[in-house]
Amino acid sequence: GESVGLHLPTLSVQEGDNSIINCAYSNSASDYFIWYKQESGKGPQFIIDIRSNMDKRQGQRVTVLLNKTVKHLSLQIAATQPGDSAVYFCAENMDNNDMRFGAGTRLTVKP
Amino acid sequence: DVKVTQSSRYLVKRTGEKVFLECVQDMDHENMFWYRQDPGLGLRLIYFSYDVKMKEKGDIPEGYSVSREKKERFSLILESASTNQTSMYLCASSPLGQGDEKLFFGSGTQLSVL
Repeated sequence: GESVGLHLPTLSVQEGDNSIINCAYSNSASDYFIWYKQESGKGPQFIIDIRSNMDKRQGQRVTVLLNKTVKHLSLQIAATQPGDSAVYFCAENMDNNDMRFGAGTRLTVKP
Repeated sequence: DVKVTQSSRYLVKRTGEKVFLECVQDMDHENMFWYRQDPGLGLRLIYFSYDVKMKEKGDIPEGYSVSREKKERFSLILESASTNQTSMYLCASSPLGQGDEKLFFGSGTQLSVL
């Protein structure tokens, strides 16, 4: 079946560098995508979202890029900080309120 | 501050026991969800509810049931716990909308079935 997946399960970056976390999706009908951050011992928290009629959206230090041609979603974190260390999930809305999650990428920030 | 509260952070149960996981949200959200989270598998939807007394099966409902008697509370029930139900369970809620509402999650319940 169709599912959301991630290219890399782990990512390690140096503090201050930019981070890029990737996600592939296969349902071309999905029209809404979200990135969540999950810190140790906590539930996932919303970071940023994007609709399928957009290809880029920026937040504070984070940017989400959507490439519908290749069904690819990415999360860019500028000037990565130790507090950014967490597991990041992409999620796609396959149908009204049917949200599917990827397996997650663990981001580790080295001082 | 909006909140989704799960009653237990850690639970240890024995095989065959009936287990109740409770979730309460204070945001007056119509939608509530139960996921389980396993390493390498991400979040998988067990059950969800759009309204009081309504429930819908998710991707992996086998071995689980749910109850939504009040809008703010959504309970997950393991009728007879088994070791393969050892997992992190996450409750979430969202407002009624057009499919573009983000989920608000609780902190999770780590269930171990021995």
